[in-house]
Amino acid sequence: GQNIDQPTEMTATEGAIVQINCTYQTSGFNGLFWYQQHAGEAPTFLSYNVLDGLEEKGRFSSFLSRSKGYSYLLLKELQMKDSASYLCAGGYLGTYKYIFGTGTRLKVLA
Amino acid sequence: DTEVTQTPKHLVMGMTNKKSLKCEQHMGHRAMYWYKQKAKKPPELMFVYSYEKLSINESVPSRFSPECPNSSLLNLHLHALQPEDSALYLCASSQDPGAGELFFGEGSRLTVL
Repeated sequence: GQNIDQPTEMTATEGAIVQINCTYQTSGFNGLFWYQQHAGEAPTFLSYNVLDGLEEKGRFSSFLSRSKGYSYLLLKELQMKDSASYLCAGGYLGTYKYIFGTGTRLKVLA
Repeated sequence: DTEVTQTPKHLVMGMTNKKSLKCEQHMGHRAMYWYKQKAKKPPELMFVYSYEKLSINESVPSRFSPECPNSSLLNLHLHALQPEDSALYLCASSQDPGAGELFFGEGSRLTVL
């Protein structure tokens, strides 16, 4: 199967930087997504990495290493509104599936 | 138009009712998905439609019946549900199956009494 692993919970302080790691099975892997989800709401798209390297979008950056089956989401200048679950998901060609990790619940403290 | 639209946003039904969830996208996407999400859990894949044909059924009970009337529409028919089926039901679409950005609708919050 295609397992996606990420930490269950993280806590950080307002204004700080936090890195959420994600590892995935590389067989058939096509691309990696990060979504943010606030409680009771649908996931919202943050980033999509297909090639190795860093993609930066404002306060959020995402990194991918295809050979290592590894990605991370970097959140800078944390704000209270960043408290949410962050879902790592892999797209796999041939299976027609997007496989989600368990999600990382991030709590930002004042 | 980069939206996936789901209706209704909230649904309360009894165990003997028949209801439907609807999903629509006008991005020309060739793959559409139904996910079920319980509180504090990731989305769980139920069905995948590729080019309007059912490609994946993740062993979902027959009380959930998907339908894809055309390339823009996806329905989920509900019948004789159980209280444990109460969850957020998310529709999503992508350009191709398993490839490209996965666009989510806002979800339908279902409560089964």
